[in-house]
Amino acid sequence: DQQVKQNSPSLSVQEGRISILNCDYTNSMFDYFLWYKKYPAEGPTFLISISSIKDKNEDGRFTVFLNKSAKHLSLHIVPSQPGDSAVYFCAATSSGYSTLTFGKGTMLLVSP
Amino acid sequence: EAQVTQNPRYLITVTGKKLTVTCSQNMNHEYMSWYRQDPGLGLRQIYYSMNVEVTDKGDVPEGYKVSRKEKRNFPLILESPSPNQTSLYFCASSLSGHHRGYTFGSGTRLTVV
Repeated sequence: DQQVKQNSPSLSVQEGRISILNCDYTNSMFDYFLWYKKYPAEGPTFLISISSIKDKNEDGRFTVFLNKSAKHLSLHIVPSQPGDSAVYFCAATSSGYSTLTFGKGTMLLVSP
Repeated sequence: EAQVTQNPRYLITVTGKKLTVTCSQNMNHEYMSWYRQDPGLGLRQIYYSMNVEVTDKGDVPEGYKVSRKEKRNFPLILESPSPNQTSLYFCASSLSGHHRGYTFGSGTRLTVV
C-alpha cells in the first residue's frame, strides 16, 4: 500500500517558468513533509520541509504548499532553471512514526 | 566537510557470501538510516537508528542487519545476500529525527549474482 504518491513520473518545463510538483498521501498520522532533489550518481539532497501546523513554507525559489484536508502537497519552483533538472522525491513522517516514507519520484526537466 | 561516507561505491558479489557496507558521518548526528532505491519503487527504508545501541526496522528489513556501536558509524550487513537484494543503497544521517532532513551518502551499487 503506497502511502505517499507522486503520480507524475516526469514533468517538462521551460526555463523561467514555474514548475509544480505534486504529492498525495493517505496516512493521516503524517505531520511532517519533506522534499528531496536527486541528481544521477548522487544521493538525495534535502530541499525544504513543512509541518502540518502550516500550509506554506518558502525558501528562496522553492515553496511548499500543504492542503491537509485533501492530503495533498505541492512544490513550486519559480523561476525554474536548467540546473533544477533532477528527480524530486516527496517524503512524509510523523513524530509518532518510525519511518520516513518516500514517494517514487518525479523527474523534472527544465529546458533552456 | 560535513558528509556521509559510504563504502564501497560499487560491489558485485555472489549469492550467500556475507558482506558489509560501511557508513560513517562526521556531523555528530543522532539519527542514521539505510535506504534502498529500486526502479519504480522509489526509496524504501531498511533500518534506522536513533542513537548508539538503538536501532529499529524500517519498511523492508528482511535479509539485513545493522549495528550502531558508535555514533558516527552505521554499517549495513547482508549475512546471506540474494539476487533480490541487488539495488542501490543509501546511508543517511539527521541531527535529531526524520523530520529534520537527512544528509545522504553518495550510494552503493550492489549486484548479487
